[in-house]
Amino acid sequence: NAGVTQTPKFRILKIGQSMTLQCTQDMNHNYMYWYRQDPGMGLKLIYYSVGAGITDKGEVPNGYNVSRSTTEDFPLRLELAAPSQTSVYFCASSREWEQFFGPGTRLTVL
Amino acid sequence: KNEVEQSPQNLTAQEGEFITINCSYSVGISALHWLQQHPGGGIVSLFMLSSGKKKHGRLIATINIQEKHSSLHITASHPRDSAVYICAVENTGNQFYFGTGTSLTVIP
Repeated sequence: NAGVTQTPKFRILKIGQSMTLQCTQDMNHNYMYWYRQDPGMGLKLIYYSVGAGITDKGEVPNGYNVSRSTTEDFPLRLELAAPSQTSVYFCASSREWEQFFGPGTRLTVL
Repeated sequence: KNEVEQSPQNLTAQEGEFITINCSYSVGISALHWLQQHPGGGIVSLFMLSSGKKKHGRLIATINIQEKHSSLHITASHPRDSAVYICAVENTGNQFYFGTGTSLTVIP
């Protein structure tokens, strides 16, 4: 099993550009999450999903969108990138209590 | 004010020492989680607690619901325990709130 995979690993965007961060898990987990981690700050929940077709907002959803058309995939969309979205993004899936994290995507918006 | 506060922010210990990391929270929770973030950035779940105490190897986690406080203990610490330890609380609405982490360095 590959676990949770994220692509790309690194990306530099210009202000106003859009992009999709990809997240895939092969563990058949229903719950999936997107977090951002800023330097010196704790992880913050952006969006989560409890199953295919169901998504909900976390603490910091503004500027992001998600979809969950399959159990495996949970992409995160940035429509109009802003410098405030410079961060490391982690995707996770969970089975019961345990969360399994992807390796992260480091995004810089200039 | 953060919903989750951890102390200390940084901790340096000699190999073999007993280590305690503290977590206090201010919101109602359904569960509390401890996670470990490796120096390379990878994050793993260590424990989930809703009451009492859990043990896994040299790691022990406790929670006091009345006092809204949890502790993570590491016995016989080892340099490979060097990492950032993160406390997170989960509310009944599937929302997670994270502390800023405790950076632990264990010196041989």
